[in-house]
Amino acid sequence: DAKTTQPPSMDCAEGRAANLPCNHSTISGNEYVYWYRQIHSQGPQYIIHGLKNNETNEMASLIITEDRKSSTLILPHATLRDTAVYYCIVRALNSGGSNYKLTFGKGTLLTVNP
Amino acid sequence: DAGVTQSPTHLIKTRGQQVTLRCSPKSGHDTVSWYQQALGQGPQFIFQYYEEEERQRGNFPDRFSGHQFPNYSSELNVNALLLGDSALYLCASSSLLRTSGLNQETQYFGPGTRLLVL
Repeated sequence: DAKTTQPPSMDCAEGRAANLPCNHSTISGNEYVYWYRQIHSQGPQYIIHGLKNNETNEMASLIITEDRKSSTLILPHATLRDTAVYYCIVRALNSGGSNYKLTFGKGTLLTVNP
Repeated sequence: DAGVTQSPTHLIKTRGQQVTLRCSPKSGHDTVSWYQQALGQGPQFIFQYYEEEERQRGNFPDRFSGHQFPNYSSELNVNALLLGDSALYLCASSSLLRTSGLNQETQYFGPGTRLLVL
């Protein structure tokens, strides 16, 4: 799986949009970009994933650049409860489907301030 | 709420003992993965079970073993516990989907079992 690079920490004011970047310059054509977050001492929570088109769900939006070498997770109106470590993971299941693991890096600690 | 449940929530064991952790997947999921998360680190993949067989294994010793039952629930067993096995153990459930010619599998995590080895 392609390696990802994320800033170790970011701050955001409550009510403002939080934009979390992820660099995945070695991504290959069949690799998806997944985002998870982990609030302290809880299990990781799935947020969103995408291949090449921008995606939006009730939690967030995922913007993937045209060359797919980077992406941004957008939380449109951050709240204090969004304070967490956010993980960007790039992963493919090959045609035989033999790579099922998620490889977590260190992620970005997002702190939402009142 | 992802619907994945794990038991127990906390556990204290001593070195050399054996432990069994349990996981029930989200309704409709047939696959269970296990991860170990040491303090301050990201989760590390232990193995994944599908159709009651270990489908993929991470870099963990044979002391770590698992089982999947016909109802898709799963157990993680760790023998001869070491102090370094102290961690949060996470279970994730999923099912394989095929979309636009590519396989997709989104894993949903449970709350974890915190194991302390003394």
